[in-house]
Amino acid sequence: QVQLVQSGAEVRKPGASVKVSCKAFGYTFTGYYIHWVRQAPGQGLEWMGWINPNNGATAYEQKFQGRVTMTRDTSISTAYMELSSLRSDDTAVYYCARAPAILTYYFDYWGQGALVTVSS
Amino acid sequence: DIVLTQSPDSLAVSLGERATINCKSSQSVFYSYHKKNYLAWYQQKPGQPPKLLIYWASTRASGVPDRFSGSGSGTDFTLTISTLQAEDVAVYYCQQYYTTPRPVTFGQGTRLEIK
Repeated sequence: QVQLVQSGAEVRKPGASVKVSCKAFGYTFTGYYIHWVRQAPGQGLEWMGWINPNNGATAYEQKFQGRVTMTRDTSISTAYMELSSLRSDDTAVYYCARAPAILTYYFDYWGQGALVTVSS
Repeated sequence: DIVLTQSPDSLAVSLGERATINCKSSQSVFYSYHKKNYLAWYQQKPGQPPKLLIYWASTRASGVPDRFSGSGSGTDFTLTISTLQAEDVAVYYCQQYYTTPRPVTFGQGTRLEIK
């Protein structure tokens, strides 16, 4: 069955970077866009951007431009989201999610989430 | 960006009663070429990722009980739970995907509790 399995919790200091992984199981990885959505403690959902695993094309929410990089490794069906210049307000659970079709950006499967804590 | 505003922010409903959550968009999310509303609904329980309930405003996702239904068009949408069950306690979010390739936006969430 379809599963997205994310890497574990991370703690970083302000100014550092973090890279979260999302490994896909049960479907053709290159056939579906992967999106990243974050959720600060007790807050709502915030979309960050997507990657097309087939060709590596990306689109980022303007707020994260210059700080976020989304990549993929098709040989291991894994997508990555790297966020740099971390601040305390980047503390959040980071989710990867699959969009079921090209240009159809609702999310039918989600990873379990990876908590990133930014603290000095 | 399209802003989605949900109402109410929180809601308490008795078991077996109807729960209604509204989502208003700052602009239409109806794409006339495809004749579809680019709006989805999710359920999120504590400590879990969101779960897709409804897409295209009214299509129930696989495995979602039929007590959940979505309606509306253009800028005004509703998620209805016809007979509330204890396991429906959660936060519910609407999401628009009209403005792809970016950005996707979510409503602020509605917390549903048992009265």
